[in-house]
Amino acid sequence: DGGITQSPKYLFRKEGQNVTLSCEQNLNHDAMYWYRQDPGQGLRLIYYSQIVNDFQKGDIAEGYSVSREKKESFPLTVTSAQKNPTAFYLCASCEEGSSSPLHFGNGTRLTVT
Amino acid sequence: KQEVTQIPAALSVPEGENLVLNCSFTDSAIYNLQWFRQDPGKGLTSLLLIQSSQREQTSGRLNASLDKSSGRSTLYIAASQPGDSATYLCAVFTGTASKLTFGTGTRLQVTL
Repeated sequence: DGGITQSPKYLFRKEGQNVTLSCEQNLNHDAMYWYRQDPGQGLRLIYYSQIVNDFQKGDIAEGYSVSREKKESFPLTVTSAQKNPTAFYLCASCEEGSSSPLHFGNGTRLTVT
Repeated sequence: KQEVTQIPAALSVPEGENLVLNCSFTDSAIYNLQWFRQDPGKGLTSLLLIQSSQREQTSGRLNASLDKSSGRSTLYIAASQPGDSATYLCAVFTGTASKLTFGTGTRLQVTL
């Protein structure tokens, strides 16, 4: 079955450590996205990529970094510069263009103490 | 800047009732509007996508309408079931930034 796989489901880190969240899709989608979800707030866009080797900052990119070396993969690194990293992180993908729905992974819950 | 609002924030209805969830957006220059369902601790599942040129879309017991000029969309759920309990989110796709802007969702509980 085609889909988006995020791993791990739960992640615990100490403050000051960088951590990388994995996102892999086998849907052959060109565009991939990273969102952050906090209680009581809508999803906020961190980074997105419309093609391999290219990506753009979203609304809350500070303290995060991404890479897009392969079409299938779009890992997100949460750096120590991110002031409030504890959140639920969601990866999504879609075909390029405005007529394609967004497909989501099941998320990674990151807790930093 | 596009802003998306969903009312009500939470809703509880008895099984079998028909219900309407509301979504409003501030900038009518959208390419499409999408409705999603999210179960606790899970990702989002796409329910319906309405193109800017369309007025409504239907899937089973779900019907979504779009009035782009007034910046409004509704999601109608017929004959609600306990399995419909989830958070429903709407999002608008703004082509200039090639991204979706999400509302904060409506948490629906359907009781027996």
